[in-house]
Amino acid sequence: RKEVEQDPGPFNVPEGATVAFNCTYSNSASQSFFWYRQDCRKEPKLLMSVYSSGNEDGRFTAQLNRASQYISLLIRDSKLSDSATYLCVVSTGGFKTIFGAGTRLFVKA
Amino acid sequence: GAVVSQHPSWVICKSGTSVKIECRSLDFQATTMFWYRQFPKQSLMLMATSNEGSKATYEQGVEKDKFLINHASLTLSTLTVTSAHPEDSSFYICSASGLAGSYEQYFGPGTRLTVT
Repeated sequence: RKEVEQDPGPFNVPEGATVAFNCTYSNSASQSFFWYRQDCRKEPKLLMSVYSSGNEDGRFTAQLNRASQYISLLIRDSKLSDSATYLCVVSTGGFKTIFGAGTRLFVKA
Repeated sequence: GAVVSQHPSWVICKSGTSVKIECRSLDFQATTMFWYRQFPKQSLMLMATSNEGSKATYEQGVEKDKFLINHASLTLSTLTVTSAHPEDSSFYICSASGLAGSYEQYFGPGTRLTVT
């Protein structure tokens, strides 16, 4: 079983749609959780950290369920510019960081 | 702030040659730098972690004699792929950490290596 698993997609959605990505992790000792965005042939960029209480940044909402070892990212009112690969990232502490394989999103006009 | 650069952005080399990739933190001192490799449609895989002035720590399965890492200063780390083979063709990304004592990693733009 992979340490961090994501649905690879791709997700093809129309502009304005709401889309949700899921991620599961295997190490119950994991401490920090993040969503990164990676555009084609580019480096990953931090989208948002994920907190136990859940957090929201504009159209993006992240949730963490420690009991189920599950993280989610919700994107509301999708824009064309949201098309990218979304990486779930889990850290067990310090610099030990595991990247998921990513979920590809295509937003169509 | 927190800008990381990589050079070159892409390189094509012949099998058997060596290639050096530079990673620089432009506006902060990076106490720790990381080297990742990403194959198409796969996740980033950590190759090694390096702290300034000390030997790099390699992940399991990564040959330290093939992937030479040098972190000689707080703003520069280099990765040298020695005797490159076509299977080494990949996207190599570095990241740097050390800003205000945070564990956050700042990624470079990556280097696409093609070995023919």
